[in-house]
Amino acid sequence: EVQFLESGGGLVQPGGSLRLSCEASRFTISRYAMTWVRQVPGKGLEWVSGISTSESSTNYAESVKGRFTISRDNSKNMVYLQMNSLRAEDTAVYYCAPYNSGWYFDFWGQGTLVTVSS
Amino acid sequence: QSALTQPRSVSGSPGQSVTISCTGTSSDVGNLNYVSWYQQHPGKAPKVMIYDVTKRPSGVPDRFSGSKSGNTASLTISGLQAEDEGDYYCCSYVGSYTSVFGGGTKLTVL
Repeated sequence: EVQFLESGGGLVQPGGSLRLSCEASRFTISRYAMTWVRQVPGKGLEWVSGISTSESSTNYAESVKGRFTISRDNSKNMVYLQMNSLRAEDTAVYYCAPYNSGWYFDFWGQGTLVTVSS
Repeated sequence: QSALTQPRSVSGSPGQSVTISCTGTSSDVGNLNYVSWYQQHPGKAPKVMIYDVTKRPSGVPDRFSGSKSGNTASLTISGLQAEDEGDYYCCSYVGSYTSVFGGGTKLTVL
């Protein structure tokens, strides 16, 4: 069974940093563009960032641009999200997901909760 | 990257049909045929129900169908069942490894 396991979430103070990791099992991420999507508890889904297969191209939501950095290590089958200058409004469950060839998400992890609070 | 517009809630009785709309712009929904729909139950990860505007992944009942006209995509659920209750999100791929989601619609089966 394909699995994505996000980790690295937790409680951090405003202005702090966290690095999220996403490990894929029974799925080779090198063939797929990858994304991070977040969801404030009780609210909707928000696309956060995407990265091409070779890491040559990345993109970010305006709300995180300049603060978050997506990266990947295909040799380790891992995707990362470095989050700096965190704000209260970044509090959410963060999911990583591959882009299917049809540019949709058919695999999701269970997410990792990031709480930004003093 | 403004969120796509969905109704906050819809409802229907078992056996009825409901349609959830998803309105974007000529830069997203109206530009590419990469609209997908996700169902989410409380505490669970989203599940894709429709992709490429009209296609159903294997295992998704044919009661779920998708369409698009101009800048508005729609998800129709016919023959409503209790297990269809949940939150539904549309999503449009806009290019350059970027997507935009709708605000979500809560479906209540009466």
